[in-house]
Amino acid sequence: DVKVTQSSRYLVKRTGEKVFLECVQDMDHENMFWYRQDPGLGLRLIYFSYDVKMKEKGDIPEGYSVSREKKERFSLILESASTNQTSMYLCASRTDRGHTDTQYFGPGTRLTVL
Amino acid sequence: AQTVTQSQPEMSVQEAETVTLSCTYDTSESDYYLFWYKQPPSRQMILVIRQEAYKQQNATENRFSVNFQKAAKSFSLKISDSQLGDAAMYFCAYRRTRSNDMRFGAGTRLTVKP
Repeated sequence: DVKVTQSSRYLVKRTGEKVFLECVQDMDHENMFWYRQDPGLGLRLIYFSYDVKMKEKGDIPEGYSVSREKKERFSLILESASTNQTSMYLCASRTDRGHTDTQYFGPGTRLTVL
Repeated sequence: AQTVTQSQPEMSVQEAETVTLSCTYDTSESDYYLFWYKQPPSRQMILVIRQEAYKQQNATENRFSVNFQKAAKSFSLKISDSQLGDAAMYFCAYRRTRSNDMRFGAGTRLTVKP
């Protein structure tokens, strides 16, 4: 079974703090994704990575950056957290190998910025 | 840009009954995938069912089946013999083939009444 883990289930930070959200997958997937989930808006893509050190912006990259130094790990960074970044953050991974097109999701991190 | 619309923010069904969740999407592509994901309360998002656009036959997975109408750009999910464990948020998603860009609807919250 694919396992995608996220470093925290719940996180509370203060405005202006630098925040790191970590995601690790154990199935050697090439592609990793960061989404934020807000009520009534579904999931929106922040960034994705298709290889180590490679990244692409999604729909809402402003205020975020990412890092992928190792294939299994994809970090989301909030350089200076703001209250409008309070949300649920979901990490996902997917492989291009074979015929599966399934994205596997982590449990999510609920971030509150005060 | 491709968009996915779920017009039912909330649905409820009696245990053992059948319910259908609606999804429409907008695309000019001919080659793509459609997905239904389930997110139980405080639990990980998991894939329920997927459909490849080139396949005319509707996908089925046990009690879950889809009604894929390509010309109408409609992709509804039917849950038969509903169980209490089916209660969750359900997200419809679209992804163009050979693309990392997956689009999600806003979600439908399904309640199952005993």
